[in-house]
Amino acid sequence: EVQLVESGGGLVQPGGSLRLSCAASGFTFSDYWMNWVRQAPGKGLEWVAKIKQDGSEDYYVESVRGRFTIFRDNAKNSLYLQMNTLRVEDTAVYFCTSGDSWGQGTLVTVSA
Amino acid sequence: SYELTQSPSVSVSPGQTARITCSGDALPKRYVYWYQQKSGQAPVLVIYEDSKRPSGIPERFSGSSSGTMASLTISGVQAEDEADYYCYSTDSNDDQNVFGGGTKLTVL
Repeated sequence: EVQLVESGGGLVQPGGSLRLSCAASGFTFSDYWMNWVRQAPGKGLEWVAKIKQDGSEDYYVESVRGRFTIFRDNAKNSLYLQMNTLRVEDTAVYFCTSGDSWGQGTLVTVSA
Repeated sequence: SYELTQSPSVSVSPGQTARITCSGDALPKRYVYWYQQKSGQAPVLVIYEDSKRPSGIPERFSGSSSGTMASLTISGVQAEDEADYYCYSTDSNDDQNVFGGGTKLTVL
């Protein structure tokens, strides 16, 4: 059974940092581009970042470029999102996804 | 930045056909994917590569794409199909992924 389990969300002050993790199982993790997608409360889905199978390429939505870093550890079947200089508008549920499969998400709240 | 445009809402009665559209300039060159998201749940892939249906997705879900417009069609809509539907694709350079704004399907 394919599983993606996110962790690391929580409450953080504006300007703070947080690292999200996603543990993958049930499929060959290293065969897939992986993505982070977020959804602000009551809003639609927003693609945040993606990383190539071997980690050699990564891309970001303009609003997070330079603040967020996506990376992966194929030996641990894990995906990460390092989020720095967080803003109130980064408040959202963050999903890890291969495209085919999605985790249940982890909530990040940025508030003073 | 690249955008995909969806109509905000569609309403149909049970048994009728619902058609949800998505427009984008790069669609002639890029695949479209469709996701269903029910309230409080993670999205579920219902169509990939314009028209392919993942295993486990009912046959009443179908997809097509022509020019700058893609469509998700749900034939014989059921109450359980009430959800938000999002199209998803990439820009012409294939480095920026994007979701449409979402279409709320209401089953009357």
